[in-house]
Formats: sequence, structure tokens, C-alpha cells
Amino acid sequence: EVQLVESGGGLVQPGGSLRLSCAASGFGVSTKYMNWVRQAPGKGLEWVSIIYSGGITDYADAVKGRFSISRDNSDNAVYLQMNSLRAEDTALYYCARATYGVGMDVWGQGTAVTVSS
Amino acid sequence: AIQMTQSPASLSASVGDRVTITCRASQGIRNDLGWYQHKSGKAPRLLIYGATRLQDGVPSRFSGSGSGTEFTLTISSLQPEDFATYYCLQDYTYQWTFGQGTKVEIK
Repeated sequence: EVQLVESGGGLVQPGGSLRLSCAASGFGVSTKYMNWVRQAPGKGLEWVSIIYSGGITDYADAVKGRFSISRDNSDNAVYLQMNSLRAEDTALYYCARATYGVGMDVWGQGTAVTVSS
Repeated sequence: AIQMTQSPASLSASVGDRVTITCRASQGIRNDLGWYQHKSGKAPRLLIYGATRLQDGVPSRFSGSGSGTEFTLTISSLQPEDFATYYCLQDYTYQWTFGQGTKVEIK
């Protein structure tokens, strides 16, 4: 079964760091475009970051320079390292698989991040 | 980054109504656009990809049209399970972007 399971969310103080994990099953993370998408309370979906099958990465301006996406092919997982966290990073973070020309066809259930003192 | 302007922000409709949601891109994106349905507490769901292609398992009452800068999602006959928030997403170029969302509510 194709599945994504996120973990690593929690409460962190402003300026702190957190590392989110996305464990994949049923396919290899290196064969797809893996994304992080977030939804802040009361807000819409916001695309955060992508790691392409070739390894190229990209980020939304709001997180560029603070967040870093990576993957471990042996663990078949994708990670989001979040540094210098701000209150506005508070959100439910989803991991989503995408394929060229198809979009995000598989999503996890999300992991919640709260940035507060 | 490409801006995606979605309208309306919300709408009220009855079961059986035809519903149309529009998304406009700030520059041409060919047909690299998807539509997603999101219900509170659940993961988003891909409905349409490539602007017009129906994702496997999605009911045929959902359809997409458009290319370039103007795109439309149509629900031909709204069903109770369709009340949700809908988003467009461009995956044409760097920094993919979502529209602001359209909340479809029961009239």
C-alpha cells in the first residue's frame, strides 16, 4: 500500500529548531517529487518545499534560508529541517508525493508544529 | 513566484447545483495545474491534474478546463460529500503555488 506518515511535530520556542520526518511505503522516495505543504490555523494550503527525483530542492520565499529538505533513500524517508522558527510557522505540515504532470497524488495525515513561548 | 488568484473565496450552494470555481495565473503555466479538495481534519485529495485530467477514483461530476492563465473547476451536480474547500495548484515552475482556496458551503 502506498502511504506517507509524518512525525516530529511539536511545541517549540521562537528561534528554535525542529526536524519533521515523512516515512514512505509502497514506493521509493527517490523516484518521485516529494513535497512539504502546510496549513496555518484558519488559513489555506501553502506549498513549502520540494525535493525532485534528481535531488534538486526548492523552497517558498517564506522559508528559504531557514528550512532544508532532504531524503534518505535507505530509510525511504524525507525530512524537513526547520531552523529559526517563527510564530507564523505554526501549522499542520503535510508530506505529499508528486509525479511530473500529475501533481500531488498521495498525502500524509500531517504533523502539527506550534511555535510559541 | 507565480501568483494564483482563485475566485470566489466562498460560495453557498444546494445539493444538485452546478458549481464553478476559477483560478487565474499571473503568467502562463501551460496546463500545469491541479485541483484539490480539502476537508477539515483530513488530508487534501487530488481531483484534477494537467488542468483537465480526472484522477483515478474521482467522480465524473468533477471536471476541469482551461490552459495558459485561466482555469476552471466545475462540479456538475453538487453532492453532500462535496462540501469542502477547493484549491488550485500550479506545478509549472519553481516555487509551486496554491490559490487562496474556495470554501463550498451548504445553502
